[in-house]
Amino acid sequence: DIQLTQSPSFLSASVGDRVTITCRASQGISSYLAWYQQKPGKAPKLLIYVASTLQSGVPSRFSGSGSGTEFTLTISSLQPEDFATYYCQHLNSYPITFGQGTRLEIK
Amino acid sequence: QVQLVQSGAEVKEPGASVRVSCKASGYSFTSYYMDWVRQAPGQGLEWIGTINPNTGTTSYAQQFQGRVTMSRDTSTSTVYMELSSLKSEDTAVYYCARVAFGGAFRWFDPWGQGTLVTVSS
Repeated sequence: DIQLTQSPSFLSASVGDRVTITCRASQGISSYLAWYQQKPGKAPKLLIYVASTLQSGVPSRFSGSGSGTEFTLTISSLQPEDFATYYCQHLNSYPITFGQGTRLEIK
Repeated sequence: QVQLVQSGAEVKEPGASVRVSCKASGYSFTSYYMDWVRQAPGQGLEWIGTINPNTGTTSYAQQFQGRVTMSRDTSTSTVYMELSSLKSEDTAVYYCARVAFGGAFRWFDPWGQGTLVTVSS
């Protein structure tokens, strides 16, 4: 199975900050990677797919990059509504797996 | 708009089975795979398996093999996930998610609202 490791697991930041979350795959997965945002009590919401394609309706402050084994999700200027948990997911093969999550909190 | 609506919360005793439904609307039901994911309280996301609503073909994560059955009803655009021999560790929110695609690439969008399954005696 392909393992995804996110770093950091916890991040404290302020409104207006630029933050980057990293997702490393245990083997190459080309660009078969998606990013999701989840708020408490809600279902995950798609942000980025195919590693770097912004989902329609998602603010342009979100961006994704990477290929192979290392990927990043960047938020260019944090807004209050961005404080949530973020997950990466690979869809290269079965079984599909998720990173353990990065919890982004207000400093 | 594309929408997935799941059935309501369930409370089950250990050893019982639970069936969760996911009704799709706003798109061609048989054109997109549907996957199931669960999330235990305070934990991350765990993939359970997938079903092709067109053919009924399924694929399950190893840890659920023998305990999970996914099925579909094309007449009502509904998929089902049944989990048997429930244990307390199966207490979780269960989500269905449509598998969108572009060429060989896939992603989950949208997700259902989630169904809380509580296993307790």
